[in-house]
Amino acid sequence: GAVVSQHPSWVICKSGTSVKIECRSLDFQATTMFWYRQFPKQSLMLMATSNEGSKATYEQGVEKDKFLINHASLTLSTLTVTSAHPEDSSFYICSARESEQFFGPGTRLTVL
Amino acid sequence: QKEVEQNSGPLSVPEGAIASLNCTYSDRGSQSFFWYRQYSGKSPELIMFIYSNGDKEDGRFTAQLNKASQYVSLLIRDSQPSDSATYLCAVKWGYQKVTFGIGTKLQVIP
Repeated sequence: GAVVSQHPSWVICKSGTSVKIECRSLDFQATTMFWYRQFPKQSLMLMATSNEGSKATYEQGVEKDKFLINHASLTLSTLTVTSAHPEDSSFYICSARESEQFFGPGTRLTVL
Repeated sequence: QKEVEQNSGPLSVPEGAIASLNCTYSDRGSQSFFWYRQYSGKSPELIMFIYSNGDKEDGRFTAQLNKASQYVSLLIRDSQPSDSATYLCAVKWGYQKVTFGIGTKLQVIP
């Protein structure tokens, strides 16, 4: 299957700082990538759809000014959590789609 | 609101038995159905997809789809302890929209 990478795999930051997470498609071009968040014992929740060369589409209830998404190339999308707070601590997973979604390994964010 | 329902479990089966995981969905127009396996602390891994009514087999895994009943299932034959994980059902509807179930935790007892 297709390979999607994420970096970093985990990050710990202080409250109020910003954190950038990268998602790369390694062996295919992805005009669309997806960002999910998963809290413990809960399902994946789609946060936003990242579109190469255009603005991301955010799901209802997700603050676009807090979760900045940039999809500058066909192989890279970034999610920046701005002014992170402890309630933003979660497992963030990106995915890209050929015919089926393939997920990156995830980034575990802990905000102290 | 498109919904995908799964029993969160845990579902416990003895090693070598058949594990049966079930999922129902609310959108009758859904076209594509996926099963993902997620180990604790890891991201989901696609194991099966099915588009048409009936059964689809891949090794020890069989996906079953019944669109009339809005029901999709995953059978795992000869269950192994390494199959112990959470299995997520995902349903694609509309353009690029996918909804995930909460997942069923499977425990295979040696």
